[in-house]
Amino acid sequence: SAVISQKPSRDICQRGTSLTIQCQVDSQVTMMFWYRQQPGQSLTLIATANQGSEATYESGFVIDKFPISRPNLTFSTLTVSNMSPEDSSIYLCSARKPGPDTQYFGPGTRLTVL
Amino acid sequence: GENVEQHPSTLSVQEGDSAVIKCTYSDSASNYFPWYKQELGKRPQLIIDIRSNVGEKKDQRIAVTLNKTAKHFSLHITETQPEDSAVYFCAASRGDSWGKLQFGAGTQVVVTP
Repeated sequence: SAVISQKPSRDICQRGTSLTIQCQVDSQVTMMFWYRQQPGQSLTLIATANQGSEATYESGFVIDKFPISRPNLTFSTLTVSNMSPEDSSIYLCSARKPGPDTQYFGPGTRLTVL
Repeated sequence: GENVEQHPSTLSVQEGDSAVIKCTYSDSASNYFPWYKQELGKRPQLIIDIRSNVGEKKDQRIAVTLNKTAKHFSLHITETQPEDSAVYFCAASRGDSWGKLQFGAGTQVVVTP
């Protein structure tokens, strides 16, 4: 299995501010992903974090709101910009490892926007 | 795009009984179908997965079946225990969208002693 860590584990933020979430994987992976899980809901893919190129965003998510960095094969950040209460969710980092070719999730960052 | 439907939304079973959760998918190009278990406040944990070249896979008390023709797959948990209580999510992805999982809505499973 893969060990994926995220920081912070939770945060409470004021409307209009930004928060950057960090994701660290214990080994090199080709692709990393960011998902959102709204309270009591399922998981929705925000974007694919590509190393060496711009992130690829899913429908309904834009770079200005969720800028992503991927400086190397084990690390990525997601920024939630200009936050509103509707951004209150759990944000999860994910990586898929070849070999067993299975996908793992980080512990998530629980964000509350007041 | 892919659409995954999951039923039931809640499932209450007596300890020792079996639980079955069903999912259907829309994209015939989907070829990877994982199941995740999420306990309250924790990350989704992969419990079993199946690829489109296999019809059934089993791991102890857990099994998954796949019917490509009908585009549905199911999770079977036998001899349920209280620690099986959690939310279970099915998901699907295409071979050319590696890692992009489309999740079902989830099933809250409650196992009563």
